[in-house]
Amino acid sequence: GNSVTQMEGPVTLSEEAFLTINCTYTATGYPSLFWYVQYPGEGLQLLLKATKADDKGSNKGFEATYRKETTSFHLEKGSVQVSDSAVYFCALSLTSGYSTLTFGKGTMLLVSP
Amino acid sequence: GAVVSQHPSRVICKSGTSVKIECRSLDFQATTMFWYRQFPKKSLMLMATSNEGSKATYEQGVEKDKFLINHASLTLSTLTVTSAHPEDSSFYICSARNLGVTGELFFGEGSRLTVL
Repeated sequence: GNSVTQMEGPVTLSEEAFLTINCTYTATGYPSLFWYVQYPGEGLQLLLKATKADDKGSNKGFEATYRKETTSFHLEKGSVQVSDSAVYFCALSLTSGYSTLTFGKGTMLLVSP
Repeated sequence: GAVVSQHPSRVICKSGTSVKIECRSLDFQATTMFWYRQFPKKSLMLMATSNEGSKATYEQGVEKDKFLINHASLTLSTLTVTSAHPEDSSFYICSARNLGVTGELFFGEGSRLTVL
């Protein structure tokens, strides 16, 4: 079956530190990969996505590269801010749209000043 | 941007009662909405797909008589947890597909149900 594995949190960093949140996947086909972010008290928001191997998704300083050889889609940011504190979900979809998302468990990021 | 709103955000009820959770797309029409359940430290689990004007499609293992879904309009889907029990306590999240934005899903803020 399809699954997404994320590193367990919380990840605690100081402001301006480098962030990596690991995500690996198992899929029966060629999935599209996503990162969603959930800020406190809000719904999940699409952060970035990649639809094929070697694609790099980027948004708000965050990046993730679709690595087919390692079945990974690690999220990175060069310098985190306190406002980045949130829960980050890695997800995959085997359909052309978004209707069958499979989520990881989520990783909480806490950034201190 | 597209907004999806859930109500209530928190609800506490007694065992045996029914609870209704609403999911509204505020600035777009959504022919399809999705309901998820999230347990602590677990990933979101898709419960059902709600289609406007037709019956919902439930995922395997989800009791359709327990979790009633109604999608009566293009902007509103409701999830009713019938005869709730403590094991139904969870975080329920809805999402709606905006066909005008490459089919992207927009999520509600979630509803935490606690059954005493």
